[in-house]
Amino acid sequence: AQSVSQHNHHVILSEAASLELGCNYSYGGTVNLFWYVQYPGQHLQLLLKYFSGDPLVKGIKGFEAEFIKSKFSFNLRKPSVQWSDTAEYFCAVMGGGSYIPTFGRGTSLIVHP
Amino acid sequence: NAGVTQTPKFQVLKTGQSMTLQCAQDMNHNSMYWYRQDPGMGLRLIYYSASEGTTDKGEVPNGYNVSRLNKREFSLRLESAAPSQTSVYFCASSGQLDNYGYTFGSGTRLTVV
Repeated sequence: AQSVSQHNHHVILSEAASLELGCNYSYGGTVNLFWYVQYPGQHLQLLLKYFSGDPLVKGIKGFEAEFIKSKFSFNLRKPSVQWSDTAEYFCAVMGGGSYIPTFGRGTSLIVHP
Repeated sequence: NAGVTQTPKFQVLKTGQSMTLQCAQDMNHNSMYWYRQDPGMGLRLIYYSASEGTTDKGEVPNGYNVSRLNKREFSLRLESAAPSQTSVYFCASSGQLDNYGYTFGSGTRLTVV
């Protein structure tokens, strides 16, 4: 069974700092990759996804993620965070012919103004 | 475009009571899912429905039943609620045209006392 690891459980940053959240997965075959964001008290929303092509994926609100196949990684980045980016971020991986993703445990991001 | 609609938003039950959580999507997605979200546990899949007329168990199905009433609707039933079922429940749907990225409902916060 595939697994998804998000190394950072809690991240605290000041506004304008750069962000990188790690995501590693165990499955070795073709994968589809997702990042979801959950703002306080809200439901999860799709931030970005990778299916094929350019491994650098750009999403909403200035977020991007890079798929590095050799490292089994799909890290999320943002050059300059804002207070409004305070949320929980979930990485998800879909592979092995299954359309059901495996979710990571999530990373809680707090951005101080 | 409403997306995924879940009802109710909040519910308090006594141990042993039953209830049904309703979910409907208007995106013509084939697949629908029920997840529960608990602190530190991330998202755990309860049941899913790959298409109208089919349902399958996920990671934590015990104590729950589901019905895929039609393509739009997928309900989750707790026959005899237990305090361990206190959680936030999310319905989601996905389709091939969206590359199986999830659209989530707004969630149901359930407390069992």
